[in-house]
Amino acid sequence: AIQMTQSPSSLSASVGDRVTITCRASQGIRNDLGWYQQKPGKAPKLLIYAASSLQSGVPSRFSGSGSGTDFTLTISSLQPEDFATYYCLQDYNYPPTFGQGTKLEIK
Amino acid sequence: QVQLQESGPGLVKPSETLSLTCTVSGGSISSYYWSWIRQPAGKGLEWIGRIYTSGSTNYNPSLKSRVTMSVDTSKNQFSLKLSSVTAADTAVYYCARVEVRGVQGYYYYGMDVWGQGTTVTVSS
Repeated sequence: AIQMTQSPSSLSASVGDRVTITCRASQGIRNDLGWYQQKPGKAPKLLIYAASSLQSGVPSRFSGSGSGTDFTLTISSLQPEDFATYYCLQDYNYPPTFGQGTKLEIK
Repeated sequence: QVQLQESGPGLVKPSETLSLTCTVSGGSISSYYWSWIRQPAGKGLEWIGRIYTSGSTNYNPSLKSRVTMSVDTSKNQFSLKLSSVTAADTAVYYCARVEVRGVQGYYYYGMDVWGQGTTVTVSS
């Protein structure tokens, strides 16, 4: 199975900061990558699909980029509701595999 | 809008079969893929498998020998069975709809609607 490695595992930031989370695949996955946000006690929410396409209804401060093995999720100006855990998910090969998550906390 | 709701026993004995159902409301189950994902307490997400409304399935190889998924279009429901459970199967189980979109000639999967999750504990 393809391994997805996120960095950092945790991150402290302030409201208004620009934040970048990285996801690296153990082999090339074209751009078959999604980003999900999960708040405590809640189901994950799809933010980005196809590495850079914004899911309907997701604020434009979220953006994704990358192809092959290296991908990033960027939040351009953190809002209070953005503090959560973020997961990448590759769907290029079976089985789809998640990164281990990046917990974004308030500084 | 489409909503998903998981249901099933919250407690399952070791070696028995975990059975969960996901009911789709506010829309049709037809012409979509549907997934199951689980998350042990305090840990990350694990993809269990995916089923199309035709009944075709894909399972995680790590669970494949124990997993069965099915769909009942007449009830707008799909189901998960996981046999021979152990404590390692204790987790929150989520069902999700899989949206497939074409982008520049390729097709991409995204789980765009999720159930709230149901906690299953494996214990005697």
